[in-house]
Amino acid sequence: QVQLVQSGPELKKPGASVKVSCKASGYTFTRYPMNWVRQAPGQGLEWMGWIDTNTGNPTFAQGFTGRFVFSLDTSVTTAYLQISNLKPEDTAVYYCAKSRWGGDWIDPWGQGTPVTVSS
Amino acid sequence: QSALTQPPSASGSPGQSVTLSCTGTSSDVGSYNYVSWYQQYPGKVPKLIIYEVNKRPSGVPDRFSGFKSGNTASLTVSGLQADDEADYYCSSYAGNNNLVFGGGTKLTVL
Repeated sequence: QVQLVQSGPELKKPGASVKVSCKASGYTFTRYPMNWVRQAPGQGLEWMGWIDTNTGNPTFAQGFTGRFVFSLDTSVTTAYLQISNLKPEDTAVYYCAKSRWGGDWIDPWGQGTPVTVSS
Repeated sequence: QSALTQPPSASGSPGQSVTLSCTGTSSDVGSYNYVSWYQQYPGKVPKLIIYEVNKRPSGVPDRFSGFKSGNTASLTVSGLQADDEADYYCSSYAGNNNLVFGGGTKLTVL
């Protein structure tokens, strides 16, 4: 079955960087986009964008440009989210999630990676 | 693109029906039949319960149904049960390979 397994919780200081991984299994990795979704504490879901797992081309939602990088290692069917120059407001749970194409409904989701940014 | 608009809260008694709304624009909900709904329990991963306006993934009870008219989509939960108490998020395709979520509705079963 399709499964997305994310890396563990992160605690970072402001200004640092973090890289979250999302290991996919159970399907052909390069056929389907990988999305990233943020959920700040007590807040709703925010779609961050997606990466074309065939070409590596990313698409970012408004508000997620500059400090955010989507990348891949197709040899290990893993997608990555890297956030640089972390700010306290980046504290959130970050989910990876598969879709059929960019902008389509997303399912399934990874288990989420909590990232805490605090001095 | 702006987030879709959902009421922050809704409630109903067991056995009743409740309808949650999701209002977008002619650039997202109004233009595409790619509205989806997700159920999320506190501290848990969101779960897809409706896709393409009114389709249910395998395993989702038919108590959940979706509809769209113009720029507004809706999710109806019939025969409310205690474990329907959760947060519900809508999303829509917004053109140019973009997706937009609503702010979410907290459903309380009284």
